[in-house]
Amino acid sequence: SQTIHQWPATLVQPVGSPLSLECTVEGTSNPNLYWYRQAAGRGLQLLFYSVGIGQISSEVPQNLSASRPQDRQFILSSKKLLLSDSGFYLCAWSPQVGQAFFGQGTRLTVV
Amino acid sequence: GESVGLHLPTLSVQEGDNSIINCAYSNSASDYFIWYKQESGKGPQFIIDIRSNMDKRQGQRVTVLLNKTVKHLSLQIAATQPGDSAVYFCARRSQGGKLIFGQGTELSVKP
Repeated sequence: SQTIHQWPATLVQPVGSPLSLECTVEGTSNPNLYWYRQAAGRGLQLLFYSVGIGQISSEVPQNLSASRPQDRQFILSSKKLLLSDSGFYLCAWSPQVGQAFFGQGTRLTVV
Repeated sequence: GESVGLHLPTLSVQEGDNSIINCAYSNSASDYFIWYKQESGKGPQFIIDIRSNMDKRQGQRVTVLLNKTVKHLSLQIAATQPGDSAVYFCARRSQGGKLIFGQGTELSVKP
C-alpha cells in the first residue's frame, strides 16, 4: 500500500534561518506531488506541485522553493525564513488520475 | 480565474440531523471534484469524489451532488454525529493535474 511520510511534525525556527522540510512517498511510482500551506482557520494554499522529477510548478511568489531530487521525494526549502512563513505545511501525493493523499503536516513557527 | 469557494465558513447542526455543505467553483475546465475532512492539527482525509460526467454519488452516510450548469458542488451528511465535527473542504483538479482547494466550512455538531 502507498504511504506518505512528512517530517518534522513541529518546528520552531528563528527569523533568517534556513528551512528544509522533506516528504517521501512509498508504494507508488511517478506520483504527482504537492506542497500546501494552511494559515490558522483558513484554507489550503497550493505552493508547489510536481508531475515528475525536476518538474516543479510554483503557484505563488514567495520566500520558498521546492525540489524533487528523486521520483518519490519532495523537499520544501527556504534560505532565510520570514515571520510570515509560519503556518501548517502539508505535503500530498496523487496518482495521475484520482484523489490526493496527505501527510500529517508540519507546524512551522518562525520566531 | 481558477478558484473554489465555499458559501458558509461555519455550520452548526444538531446531532442526528442532516448536514449540507456547499461549494461553488468558477472554472468549468475540471473533470474531477473531491471532498475532504480535516480534523484539528491533522492532514485532510478523503471523504468522497465525483467525476464531471456524474451528478450524484453516494457513500456511507455521505452524498455528493454536482451541478455543472451553476458550477455548484454539495456534500450531504446523513444523521450527523459528533465525530463529524471538523473542517470540510471541496477541491477541484484543474488542468495540468493540480488540486485547488476552497476555503473550508467548519461543521460543529451539537449533542
